[in-house]
This record gives sequence, C-alpha cells and structure tokens, in this order.
Amino acid sequence: DGGITQSPKYLFRKEGQNVTLSCEQNLNHDAMYWYRQDPGQGLRLIYYSQIVNDFQKGDIAEGYSVSREKKESFPLTVTSAQKNPTAFYLCASSKVEYQPQHFGDGTRLSIL
Amino acid sequence: ILNVEQSPQSLHVQEGDSTNFTCSFPSSNFYALHWYRWETAKSPEALFVMTLNGDEKKKGRISATLNTKEGYSYLYIKGSQPEDSATYLCAFRIQGAQKLVFGQGTRLTINP
Repeated sequence: DGGITQSPKYLFRKEGQNVTLSCEQNLNHDAMYWYRQDPGQGLRLIYYSQIVNDFQKGDIAEGYSVSREKKESFPLTVTSAQKNPTAFYLCASSKVEYQPQHFGDGTRLSIL
Repeated sequence: ILNVEQSPQSLHVQEGDSTNFTCSFPSSNFYALHWYRWETAKSPEALFVMTLNGDEKKKGRISATLNTKEGYSYLYIKGSQPEDSATYLCAFRIQGAQKLVFGQGTRLTINP
C-alpha cells in the first residue's frame, strides 16, 4: 500500500546532540512537509519542499535542517541549536501543493 | 502572521446527536480551505479541500460549507457515532503561498 513512513516512532535526544527523523513516501508525491505539534497548538510548518534538491523554510525553521536528495525522502535533522525540541513531529506529502496532504504517523521526540 | 481560529476547542456530544463547529480565517487573498480528521493514535486524514465561495462538500454523514467573503467554514456531523471521536483540523492557504496554516483543532468526543 502507498503511504508515508516516519521513523522512529519515539526518539530521545541528549543535550548537544543532533538527531535525524526519517520520512519516506511511496506515493510519487512532489511536495513534502515537516510539521511540529505542541500541546494546545496547531500544526506549525518547519520546512517544505516542492521538488528534489529544493526546500524552503516554514514558520519555525530555526534549529532544524532538511535535505531532499530523492523524491521519496525528506529527512529532518533537529540540531543542538533547537533549544526546545520536545514535541510531536509529523511529515506530510501532496501531489502538488494545493492537493490534500497525506500524513505519516509521527515521531515523538523527547529530551533525556 | 495569518491566524486560523477553530471553535470550540473541545466538544462532547451524545451519540446520535448532530453537531457542528467553525473554522475562521482571513477573508482576503483566499485560495483554499482544508479539513482533516485526526483520530487518536492515527495520522491526520484529509476530509475536504474547498476552494469556491459557497462550496458545500459531503462525505457520508460529514459535510462542510465555505464562506470566503466573511472568512469561515462550518463542519457538520449528522447523527454522531463513537467513531467520529477525533480532532478536526482546518487549514488555510492564501493565494501565492505554497503552505497551509493550521488551526488548533476541535477535539470532538462522542458519548455512547
């Protein structure tokens, strides 16, 4: 079945450590997105990419980095510069930017 | 900064009752309004994408209306069932933007 796979489901980060969240899709979608959810808040956009080798900052990109070397993959790195990384992270994709987005199951990141 | 407001934040409804909730968004430069359903322990699922003022969409017992001139959309659920329990998210896109802005969601609980 086509879909979006995020891994791991749970991730723990030590102080000063970079961690990478994986997002893979086999839907042949062009656009991919990373969102962050905090309690009581809506989904906030971190980064998005409309084509391979191109991506744009969202509303809360500081402390994060991404790459889009393949159409299927859009990994998110939470760097040590992100001082409050504890959150639920969702990856999404869409065929083009105005189509509905399909979401993965999310990764919950916590600080050790 | 674009603001999308959903009300109420949470709602408890008796099984069999009908209910509705609201998504408010800026009325200028409208491009599209999305509705998603997010059940616990699952990924958000697209319900509707609405683009035209006066649009009405229906999916089973769930329907949505759109008023772009006054900047609101209603989601209706007829004859609520326990499986309708979820958080309902709306998201707004303005013309020329490649990203969605999400509301905080309405958390719906259906009491058997």
